[in-house]
Amino acid sequence: GAVVSQHPSWVICKSGTSVKIECRSLDFQATTMFWYRQFPKQSLMLMATSNEGSKATYEQGVEKDKFLINHASLTLSTLTVTSAHPEDSSFYICSARDRTLAGVSYNEQFFGPGTRLTVL
Amino acid sequence: KQEVTQIPAALSVPEGENLVLNCSFTDSAIYNLQWFRQDPGKGLTSLLLIQSSQREQTSGRLNASLDKSSGRSTLYIAASQPGDSATYLCAVRPEYGNKLVFGAGTILRVKS
Repeated sequence: GAVVSQHPSWVICKSGTSVKIECRSLDFQATTMFWYRQFPKQSLMLMATSNEGSKATYEQGVEKDKFLINHASLTLSTLTVTSAHPEDSSFYICSARDRTLAGVSYNEQFFGPGTRLTVL
Repeated sequence: KQEVTQIPAALSVPEGENLVLNCSFTDSAIYNLQWFRQDPGKGLTSLLLIQSSQREQTSGRLNASLDKSSGRSTLYIAASQPGDSATYLCAVRPEYGNKLVFGAGTILRVKS
């Protein structure tokens, strides 16, 4: 149980285009999903927290108009990188918190396999 | 502001050796601490999660300890195998809030 998927696993696009990345919780409902960015040989940097049915909360320094996040259902959140540039090339990872486990208060986050974005 | 530090940054050991990875955090007001494994180009696999009230957790050859008051956690790997080669990340969740704060990781290489 507690499987999180991401699609696509990798994408190459031209500068100026927009790219959408999907994050799905496959066997549980997630009221909260998190989007991270990871540069080579560095740790994960939290970009934003996404709550189902409400606007995402962005971390300081993350452009909300650049990285559009939508959490339309309890099993799906999307990250759209708008007008992508080469500096947006990175590894993007999402995680999800199981709503049913919230009552147990473990609050464990389950991570997706990541999406490698390369902007030419 | 919570800061998480992992030592060493990289470690290379021969197969079969027992090893310890260290994680320290500056703010002891944590909800839980989690150890992850990340293979190159892949996502994170949760290894062990320790609640703030717990002292240790064990899973197979892995044992993680937590000393909340001193802001330290260790991940002990027994009888290391080449398949254990990966980056190991430590992350803490603050007492209030959802955000995980990650360390920079320890790159482990187990030589056969």
